[in-house]
Amino acid sequence: QSALTQPASVSGSPGQSVTITCTGTSSDIGDYNLVSWFQQHPDMAPKLLIHEVTKRPSGISPRFSGTKSGNTASLTISGLQAEDESVYYCCSYAGRSMYVFGTGTKVTVL
Amino acid sequence: EQLVQSGAEAKQPGASVKVSCKGSGYRFGIYDVNWVRQAPGRGLEWIGWMNPNSGNSGFARKFQGRVSMTGDTATNTAYMEMSSLRSEDTAVYFCARGWPEGYGRFFDLWGRGTLVSVSS
Repeated sequence: QSALTQPASVSGSPGQSVTITCTGTSSDIGDYNLVSWFQQHPDMAPKLLIHEVTKRPSGISPRFSGTKSGNTASLTISGLQAEDESVYYCCSYAGRSMYVFGTGTKVTVL
Repeated sequence: EQLVQSGAEAKQPGASVKVSCKGSGYRFGIYDVNWVRQAPGRGLEWIGWMNPNSGNSGFARKFQGRVSMTGDTATNTAYMEMSSLRSEDTAVYFCARGWPEGYGRFFDLWGRGTLVSVSS
């Protein structure tokens, strides 16, 4: 199972929106609405931002939103804030009780 | 709710390591326990899962035959054992609570990670 493909980095100014893409295949993202997104600060455990493509856990800001089209999922961060500077990972269920993570995207707030 | 992992380990190539993950504050047995690792400066890599109640487990292909996962519902503790360690296995190993089939299949609660260093 190959890692899902994410851009290495994206950047934006405070207040702007940025979108991170996550490209998989018809065997993972394309076949299941079971995509999650995580934020990971340095030396910390990942934090769940989005699950099942669009759902936000309690306590997660509505500035984070997820979508999916075909084999590609996307995470949009609206109203970018300094605290959003971090690394973001997507993750998809891939069938047969297996999962695959994305390659990770570094978000820089300019 | 939390997952507390065992401390850092230093191992020689060819050795085995067993990492523990103790859950508290929730019904431990009904959720899956997933294991994810992160090599220094690298991304997240899913290793496998197990369910403490059923004992069922599954692993990513690259780890099959080299990893085992067990659970003890009496102590709410999950274990991941990896054998035939090599330098490329040096990483932080995380456990994460997984919602099972029919409930979203996502990881919402994570341990703080256990550093496993493999070096001669």
